[in-house]
Amino acid sequence: DIVMTQSPDFLAVSLGERATINCKSSQSLLYSSNNKNYFAWYQQKPGQSPKLLIYWASTRDSGVPDRFSGSGSGTDFTLTISSLQAEDVAVYYCQQYYSTLITFGQGTRLEIK
Amino acid sequence: EVQLVESGGGLVKPGGSLRLSCAASGFTFTKAWMSWVRQAPGKGLEWVGRIKSESDGGTADYAAPVKGRFTISRDDSKNTVYVQMNSLKTEDTAVYYCTTGPGIALAWGQGTLVIVSS
Repeated sequence: DIVMTQSPDFLAVSLGERATINCKSSQSLLYSSNNKNYFAWYQQKPGQSPKLLIYWASTRDSGVPDRFSGSGSGTDFTLTISSLQAEDVAVYYCQQYYSTLITFGQGTRLEIK
Repeated sequence: EVQLVESGGGLVKPGGSLRLSCAASGFTFTKAWMSWVRQAPGKGLEWVGRIKSESDGGTADYAAPVKGRFTISRDDSKNTVYVQMNSLKTEDTAVYYCTTGPGIALAWGQGTLVIVSS
């Protein structure tokens, strides 16, 4: 199975500041035939179901604010929130869908400092 | 609007069985690949398995911890996907979510809680 490892496990950031979450996969998620990274980010707010934020490593899902951005390729990926808002408090998960057997990272809890 | 509504959760003894359902609406179900993802209390997300659309073969794939015990099926006439869970273990205790998408989970249901305990 492809192992997804997020860092850090916990992050506290002041309102209006930048938040950065990293995710590393145990093998490349870049499919050479279409040059796409089979990688996504999800947000799970307290008491809610997860929600898709970003797919193909850098494409925001419909309605996702542009303060959220995804970057990276191959095995190393980053989710950046450019200016943290109170409503961004959540657990963030990375996911690979390169393999038939889909796997998630362990999650990063983001709170307000 | 895409809607996924799970049902069928509850309390079951170790070794027992349970069948979860997920009723879908707001998209073309017959073309959709459907997945189940679970979340143990206070823990992260774990992919359980997925079933392809009938036009893509209708086959299912499973995560190692559930392979041989869980079976995912679909009824396109009812826009519903199921997971039959047999030989349940205490470590299967979780909220089970239904999702839609070929790999990406484009939409999620509200989840249904399964508790495996004696």
